[in-house]
Amino acid sequence: AQSVAQPEDQVNVAEGNPLTVKCTYSVSGNPYLFWYVQYPNRGLQFLLKYITGDNLVKGSYGFEAEFNKSQTSFHLKKPSALVSDSALYFCAVRGDTGFQKLVFGTGTRLLVSP
Amino acid sequence: KAGVTQTPRYLIKTRGQQVTLSCSPISGHRSVSWYQQTPGQGLQFLFEYFSETQRNKGNFPGRFSGRQFSNSRSEMNVSTLELGDSALYLCASSPSGGGSSYEQYFGPGTRLTVT
Repeated sequence: AQSVAQPEDQVNVAEGNPLTVKCTYSVSGNPYLFWYVQYPNRGLQFLLKYITGDNLVKGSYGFEAEFNKSQTSFHLKKPSALVSDSALYFCAVRGDTGFQKLVFGTGTRLLVSP
Repeated sequence: KAGVTQTPRYLIKTRGQQVTLSCSPISGHRSVSWYQQTPGQGLQFLFEYFSETQRNKGNFPGRFSGRQFSNSRSEMNVSTLELGDSALYLCASSPSGGGSSYEQYFGPGTRLTVT
């Protein structure tokens, strides 16, 4: 069965500093990995995904994520955080075999201070 | 293209009642998934429909049910509501679904409060 772990409930970073939100996964077959962001009282917005190919994936709003197969990780990164990046971030995984459902992590709250 | 729409946005019900939530996917999307989001449990998968067939189901009691129509619109129903059913219910659509590389597009959710 698939699973996703986001080990940090909250990440605090100062504006202008780099940020990392961690995600590790377990899946049958090859992974399809996704990052979503949720702002208050809103649905989830898609940020980026890894399907195959380059391990560094670039997405919306300057975010990128690095796929590491040996460590089964897919950490979200941004070189310079903005206060407006403060939100709830979810990592999700789905295996590439059969009709596997998309499984989400518990979410990491990112707080960017001015 | 219009995004995923969910109705109603807010709902207040009493214990024991039943409720029906509606989701209209993005035009051309055939897969619709439903999730329950609560502060304590995070995002929990309810079920996924593709071309009117339930393709995946989460670990929820039989009080939670769903269906998909030929136009891909979907409804979920919760019978005999309990206080613990209070949550944000999110619907997501994608061109395909389970096992595919497509991302899901989420609606704004329906906030259900059970009193």
